[in-house]
This record gives sequence, structure tokens and C-alpha cells, in this order.
Amino acid sequence: KAGVTQTPRYLIKTRGQQVTLSCSPISGHRSVSWYQQTPGQGLQFLFEYFSETQRNKGNFPGRFSGRQFSNSRSEMNVSTLELGDSALYLCASSLALAGGYTGELFFGEGSRLTVL
Amino acid sequence: QKEVEQNSGPLSVPEGAIASLNCTYSDRVSQSFFWYRQYSGKSPELIMSIYSNGDKEDGRFTAQLNKASQYVSLLIRDSQPSDSATYLCAVSIITGGGNKLTFGTGTQLKVEL
Repeated sequence: KAGVTQTPRYLIKTRGQQVTLSCSPISGHRSVSWYQQTPGQGLQFLFEYFSETQRNKGNFPGRFSGRQFSNSRSEMNVSTLELGDSALYLCASSLALAGGYTGELFFGEGSRLTVL
Repeated sequence: QKEVEQNSGPLSVPEGAIASLNCTYSDRVSQSFFWYRQYSGKSPELIMSIYSNGDKEDGRFTAQLNKASQYVSLLIRDSQPSDSATYLCAVSIITGGGNKLTFGTGTQLKVEL
């Protein structure tokens, strides 16, 4: 069974640009969550999607957005990049059901973003 | 106060010893508790989940939960060098918009030969 796949794995952008990251969850998983990981702050929750609907959102500025498609694949977008956006962006999928939630997450390998 | 707190370590234990990792959380309505392991350069992987007070054992791992004290711990028996990693405590917290999983910053464990 294939795991969570994230693309691209590495990318370098400059300040002011925007970036789109992609995540394909494990087959059958309808919940997709996104996290930002930095050495100083650890794992910070960005948002969670279930069946194309954002169910929860973390405390990030509006420059961070996401969406989920009907096949459960998800994308996140960061606009007007800042130096502080340099981080590892992790996607995780789970077997959460409608109206439910589980913290049993399966993480992808992440997309490492460097902003110059 | 952080929602989930862990000692960053490093915690060094000799091979074969018991490693004890601790975590406290601030939100009393937290429902579910998890331990993730993250090797350097890798993504986190779930190793234990615990939902009710008491102990839960899985092989060499035991998770302990005390909701009254808002305290979760992970014991690793017969520690091996392959257990050297960062251990992340995570707590499922109900927010106005739904549930979210909040992570501590992790405890680095080093198992020495």
C-alpha cells in the first residue's frame, strides 16, 4: 500500500514569490492535514481537510491556503513568501470519518522550502 | 503557557536501560494522546496512542496517561541504539472549528552503547 506522497521534495524560492505544494494521501484516507515544521517552533498545525472541506485551521496568516480535490489529493499554497516561511511542510492523512477525527496520522516525507 | 510541553533533552540512556519520556498538556478537554517518533531527516511516525487513564503496553513501549494531572509519559524498555530519535507528544484538542492535533516540540533520546 503506497504511503503519503508529497511533491516537490525540495524547492528554493525568493521572497515575494508564491509556492504550491502537493500531497496524495494513502488510498482510502479522506482526511488530509498540513503541518509546518521548523527547528524553533516544532510542528505547527496549518489546516485539515475532509471531503474537500476545510474542517479546521491553525493560526497562520491568510497567505497560507489550501484545498482538497474530490480524489482526496490536497494542495497548499503560500503567497508572497517571506524568509520565515522556510520550513519543512508535512502532509498527513488519516482514516477519519465524516463527523469524526483521529490523531492517528500518517505523514509524508515532506516538502522542504527554502526562501532566499 | 504552551499547549503541550516536553523537555527538549537530550535524554541519554545506556543500551538496555529504561527511557522515560514525559509530556504535560494544558487543555483539560483534550481527548486523545499520541506519541510519534521522528528520526533525523525523516517524518514523524506514530508509535503509540492512548485514550483513557492508565497504562497501555505495546512491545517494549508503554504509554501512561493521567488526565487529572494532565500528564502523559512514554516508557521504552530495553532501549536500543535504534531508538535514538526525537519523540513527539501530541494531543488532540477540540477547538471551535473541530479537532486538531497539537504537538510538543519533542524530546531527543540518545541510547548509548
